[in-house]
Amino acid sequence: EGQLLESGGGLVQPGGSLRLSCTASGFTFSSYAMSWVRQAPGKGLEWVSLISYSGGRIYYADSVKGRFTIARDNSKNTLYVQMNSLRVEDTAVYYCAKSREGTTDAFDIWGQGTVVTVSS
Amino acid sequence: DIQMTQSPSTLSASVGDRVTITCRASQSISNWLAWYQQKPGKAPKLLIYDASSLESGVPSRFSGSGSGTEFTLTISSLQPEDFATYYCQQYKSNPWTFGQGTKVEIK
Repeated sequence: EGQLLESGGGLVQPGGSLRLSCTASGFTFSSYAMSWVRQAPGKGLEWVSLISYSGGRIYYADSVKGRFTIARDNSKNTLYVQMNSLRVEDTAVYYCAKSREGTTDAFDIWGQGTVVTVSS
Repeated sequence: DIQMTQSPSTLSASVGDRVTITCRASQSISNWLAWYQQKPGKAPKLLIYDASSLESGVPSRFSGSGSGTEFTLTISSLQPEDFATYYCQQYKSNPWTFGQGTKVEIK
């Protein structure tokens, strides 16, 4: 049974930076696309970014383009997102999620989430 | 961007009821649609992929149907553990988008 474990969340001031990590186990991490999905307090789910299995294709939501950078280290079974120029509206629980098979697919494994709070 | 619209936003139902949630896409997404269940404080859980395929381990009382722009999630006989929020999601094209959610409450 595959598992994902996020870390790196915390409190940061507007304009600050934070790097989240997501460590995978129980499946061949290097074979699957991975995403970050966030959920603001009391709100719905918002897809943030996706990286293909090799890292060769990367996509971002318009709301984070130019500020967030997704990356992966397949040798460490770890997914990252570097978040710069953080805004109050980036406050959310951030989940990492695995694509079921192809790059364009449902998300079949989710982490437990890590909380990012952007506030002065 | 493809917009996903769910209805209703909230649904009150009793244990044993048959429940149907609708999801409409702003343009055709073929069958590139998933349904997720989320309970408070927990991560979403995949229930249905490719509009009608049941994820492994998900009870058979959950079913999905539809193609193109209109989709439904049906729970044939609502169980106590099914009270949660349900989201549809399209994965036909970037950006991958979710519906706003449907909260299933106890009547």
